[in-house]
Amino acid sequence: NTVMTQSPTSMFISVGDRVTMNCKASQNVGTNVDWYQQKTGQSPKLLIYGASNRYTGVPDRFTGSGSGTDFTLTISNMQAEDLAVYYCLQYNYNPRTFGGGTKLELK
Amino acid sequence: EVKLVESGGGLVQPGRSLKLSCAASGFSFNDYWMGWVRQAPGKGLEWIGEINQDSSTINYTPSLKDKFTISRDNAQNTLYLQMSKLGSEDTAIYYCARALIYYYDGYYHYYYVMDAWGQGASVTVSS
Repeated sequence: NTVMTQSPTSMFISVGDRVTMNCKASQNVGTNVDWYQQKTGQSPKLLIYGASNRYTGVPDRFTGSGSGTDFTLTISNMQAEDLAVYYCLQYNYNPRTFGGGTKLELK
Repeated sequence: EVKLVESGGGLVQPGRSLKLSCAASGFSFNDYWMGWVRQAPGKGLEWIGEINQDSSTINYTPSLKDKFTISRDNAQNTLYLQMSKLGSEDTAIYYCARALIYYYDGYYHYYYVMDAWGQGASVTVSS
C-alpha cells in the first residue's frame, strides 16, 4: 500500500494566520492527491482534487500544491470556521489511502 | 439535493456479521462509482473499497478483502457493505461516499473525487 504521512499531526493557530500542512507519499503518486476537511461530528468534505484544483464552493484561501511525493495544503488568512482535521488521499494506486490527518486547534 | 443515508449499524457481537446499506437520492446513482470509508473512534479515515457503476470492478483495501463485500443495487439506488467475522477493531463509523472518476485527457489521466458523503453509520463490536 502507498503510505501517506501527514505533518504536523496538530497545529495551534490563531485566526488570520497562514497555515501550511504537508503530506508525503511513500512512492510517486503524480498529482493524484485530494484533500478533505472534517469538522468535529461531521462527515468529511472535499476541498482540493488533483493536488491543486479547488472544489466547487471552496474559498480561495485554500490552496493545494505539489507533485510526486510531496504535497502541501495552505490556508491563507485562517478563519475560525476552518478549525478541523485535514486529510490527504492518494488515488494513484489501489488501494486508495488516506494520511493520518492534521488537526487545527486554536491557540 | 444529493443525499446519502447509511443504515444498518448498531451493536454486534464479535465473530458475527452485519450488513450496512446506503440509500442514494438526488442524482443518477448508476452513473457513479461508490465507496466506503470508516473511522474508528478518535482515529483517522480508512478507505475500505469502491465499486463501479455496473459492479464489474470492485476494489478493496487488502486487509479487509476477506471480511467485507461491497455490492450495489442500481434499481434500488442502494449501496451495501456486508461485513463478516467482525472484531473489536471493526468498531467505527462507516461512511458511504459518491466517487466521481473523470478522465481529463480522454483515456489515462483522471481525477478521483469523493464529493458527497453520508452522515455515517455507527458499528460497535462488543460482547
